[in-house]
Amino acid sequence: GESVGLHLPTLSVQEGDNSIINCAYSNSASDYFIWYKQESGKGPQFIIDIRSNMDKRQGQRVTVLLNKTVKHLSLQIAATQPGDSAVYFCATHFGNEKLTFGTGTRLTIIP
Amino acid sequence: DTAVSQTPKYLVTQMGNDKSIKCEQNLGHDTMYWYKQDSKKFLKIMFSYNNKELIINETVPNRFSPKSPDKAHLNLHINSLELGDSAVYFCASSHSGRTDTQYFGPGTRLTVL
Repeated sequence: GESVGLHLPTLSVQEGDNSIINCAYSNSASDYFIWYKQESGKGPQFIIDIRSNMDKRQGQRVTVLLNKTVKHLSLQIAATQPGDSAVYFCATHFGNEKLTFGTGTRLTIIP
Repeated sequence: DTAVSQTPKYLVTQMGNDKSIKCEQNLGHDTMYWYKQDSKKFLKIMFSYNNKELIINETVPNRFSPKSPDKAHLNLHINSLELGDSAVYFCASSHSGRTDTQYFGPGTRLTVL
């Protein structure tokens, strides 16, 4: 089965700095990857996704990098703001409709 | 005008009771899901319905029974509640297909005493 892990359970970053959240996955057949943000008391919110035929995708202040060789996914957040403080999850799709979530990284932005 | 809504937001009940959580989406999506998030924030899918038809049924006790009266609603009924059922339950929906973005509801925090 799939297991999805995160390298660091917590991450603190100074406001204005860039942050990088990493994720490792185990199933080389995974072909779709998503990052979600979950603020306290709320449901996960889609941030950005990437398919396995790409290795980089950019959004507004966020970039997702995919390295299929080492089965590694990262989320880069540029110029962090207090509102970026949340738990970030990576998730992968493979096979059927099921989405497998990682264990989450709590990002804290220090003012 | 909330996209995915759940009721109630909080649910506190005694062991052995039966309870239901309701979910509605107004996005016109075909697929709906139930997830369970434990105290360590781990999110695990429980069920998925596409156009009222069950398509994913993870290893979940029979005490959990999803019901989809129409494609905009997916309710979760739990019989004989146990302490280990305490968690936050999230409903989600997607247009269709496994690579469509899933939109999550605000969650229902269930506490079993």
